[in-house]
Amino acid sequence: GAGVSQTPSNKVTEKGKYVELRCDPISGHTALYWYRQSLGQGPEFLIYFQGTGAADDSGLPNDRFFAVRPEGSVSTLKIQRTERGDSAVYLCASSRSAGDNEQFFGPGTRLTVL
Amino acid sequence: GEDVEQSLFLSVREGDSSVINCTYTDSSSTYLYWYKQEPGAGLQLLTYIFSNMDMKQDQRLTVLLNKKDKHLSLRIADTQTGDSAIYFCAERSSGSARQLTFGSGTQLTVLP
Repeated sequence: GAGVSQTPSNKVTEKGKYVELRCDPISGHTALYWYRQSLGQGPEFLIYFQGTGAADDSGLPNDRFFAVRPEGSVSTLKIQRTERGDSAVYLCASSRSAGDNEQFFGPGTRLTVL
Repeated sequence: GEDVEQSLFLSVREGDSSVINCTYTDSSSTYLYWYKQEPGAGLQLLTYIFSNMDMKQDQRLTVLLNKKDKHLSLRIADTQTGDSAIYFCAERSSGSARQLTFGSGTQLTVLP
């Protein structure tokens, strides 16, 4: 079946603008994770959903970042008033359930803030 | 907090074995993972090991875990040019946390 998909693959925006990044998890996966990967670094956790609710948002850097998953499937990561330091690859992963050992990653969205 | 460390670069000759090392600090880690990332691609899960095991083998891949020293390694036998990529070590803690904590990655270059 299809893997995790993310759109857009690339997003270029200007400082101060609002952006939305979308993640389509593997069908039937109830747990969904967002990570951010800066150049030369490993992914860093942002937020995780079990079903529709955010079970852990401790990795969100500040209140400009918000994520939703209204129907327990697709998730959108929203960044307000973007800053140049937000430039990174945003990765989404899903797993069958929160307790499952395997997280499957999407290809990521490369966000560039000019 | 948790910390995962890896060396940045490794070069090997095609056909040789590669050994990528990782150390972590969280003694409550339950699962330890190896992911592969090729240029422009997402992370591919290669293998993972439960913390009560000390070795896991999967075809050309061998994972060794020394829980006492908090040291994890990935050995790739008969390394091929297609194995050139960045390899990330990651750990998952016990308790309610479900997220992975990643190292900075090791760039493996396979020379012909």
